[in-house]
Amino acid sequence: GIQVEQSPPDLILQEGANSTLRCNFSDSVNNLQWFHQNPWGQLINLFYIPSGTKQNGRLSATTVATERYSLLYISSSQTTDSGVYFCAVEASGSRLTFGEGTQLTVNP
Amino acid sequence: GAGVSQSPRYKVAKRGQDVALRCDPISGHVSLFWYQQALGQGPEFLTYFQNEAQLDKSGLPSDRFFAERPEGSVSTLKIQRTQQEDSAVYLCASSLDVWGVEQYFGPGTRLTVT
Repeated sequence: GIQVEQSPPDLILQEGANSTLRCNFSDSVNNLQWFHQNPWGQLINLFYIPSGTKQNGRLSATTVATERYSLLYISSSQTTDSGVYFCAVEASGSRLTFGEGTQLTVNP
Repeated sequence: GAGVSQSPRYKVAKRGQDVALRCDPISGHVSLFWYQQALGQGPEFLTYFQNEAQLDKSGLPSDRFFAERPEGSVSTLKIQRTQQEDSAVYLCASSLDVWGVEQYFGPGTRLTVT
């Protein structure tokens, strides 16, 4: 099956810093989503982005499907951005395959 | 409701007991998915429904796991004779269309088997 690799596995930032999270996938995909899992375990939809670039406030994402990677940018990070960020892809059969996540800690 | 809801939020079961976990998808959503998330890992696919039809159950780890969605709305994931390795968070997701594009997740049920 398709493999999804996220980097870095852990990231510690000071409030106000910017960061880039990366997601590599091993095969062509139909769909790609980025999620933020908050400390209470809720998966929050950030972007549905099988290709192209989208922006939502301080967050933006770019997927280059032909090169099999996606990037999530977080600017001016805040403590509430802390949590685990997951990339998930759908290659066939509608199921999502998740990466292992990036654990982000933003310190005040 | 506005989002996917799941109940109970927490469940403690003694080994060997049967449990039933409920998922209420977003109203009108055709596709429904169950995932299992072990501590420190990403969610893993269990099964998928399109309306009441279970189209893919290849992720169910054993025949002790059973899922249904009889009227194409609410779904129940049942685990028989629970084992310690079943301890995990069980997540439900729904999607508006038949292909499962852009899935929305519920808060999960944390199952602990003692």
